[in-house]
Amino acid sequence: EAGVAQSPRYKIIEKRQSVAFWCNPISGHATLYWYQQILGQGPKLLIQFQNNGVVDDSQLPKDRFSAERLKGVDSTLKIQPAKLEDSAVYLCASSPLREVYEQYFGPGTRLTVT
Amino acid sequence: KQEVTQIPAALSVPEGENLVLNCSFTDSAIYNLQWFRQDPGKGLTSLLLIQSSQREQTSGRLNASLDKSSGRSTLYIAASQPGDSATYLCAVCMNRDDKIIFGKGTRLHILP
Repeated sequence: EAGVAQSPRYKIIEKRQSVAFWCNPISGHATLYWYQQILGQGPKLLIQFQNNGVVDDSQLPKDRFSAERLKGVDSTLKIQPAKLEDSAVYLCASSPLREVYEQYFGPGTRLTVT
Repeated sequence: KQEVTQIPAALSVPEGENLVLNCSFTDSAIYNLQWFRQDPGKGLTSLLLIQSSQREQTSGRLNASLDKSSGRSTLYIAASQPGDSATYLCAVCMNRDDKIIFGKGTRLHILP
């Protein structure tokens, strides 16, 4: 099966600009996650969707970050306006609703804010 | 609040040696535990997943163990190779369909 797809792979923007990331999960996977990974740290969950509903967005900085998953498939994560501390790798993951619960990760988008 | 700790933060060993990476977690009521590999600039690749009812999983030269009662897991790599150089992340899931909580990882460097 095809893996989780993300684009772009790299993005460089200036602070106060806006940026959007796209994720296409594995076909049939109901749950989709966006993680932020700052250099030297483990990934931190930003938002979790089940189908097109939000399950957990407690760690999403809602004043500048937004995410949507229309039709319960693809998802976009947006940052507006960006700050220097948003420089990180943004990882998308998906998982199926079955007993052995495992998350599959995409290659990530590396964001540099200058 | 669940916290995941990985020790050491970095490790360099000569090629061919066996090695152990450690992971500890504060809340033992986990659903499962996963070990991931991350190469520089890349995403995460799942290596092994251990359900809460299991004690270990093996894949090739990798063996992961889980001791829920003590809040510990180890990843054993046998006969290390330069291609094993990467960051290894431990992550726990508290409930089915729940988010994964990651450790900061161990950066492993295998010396040729």
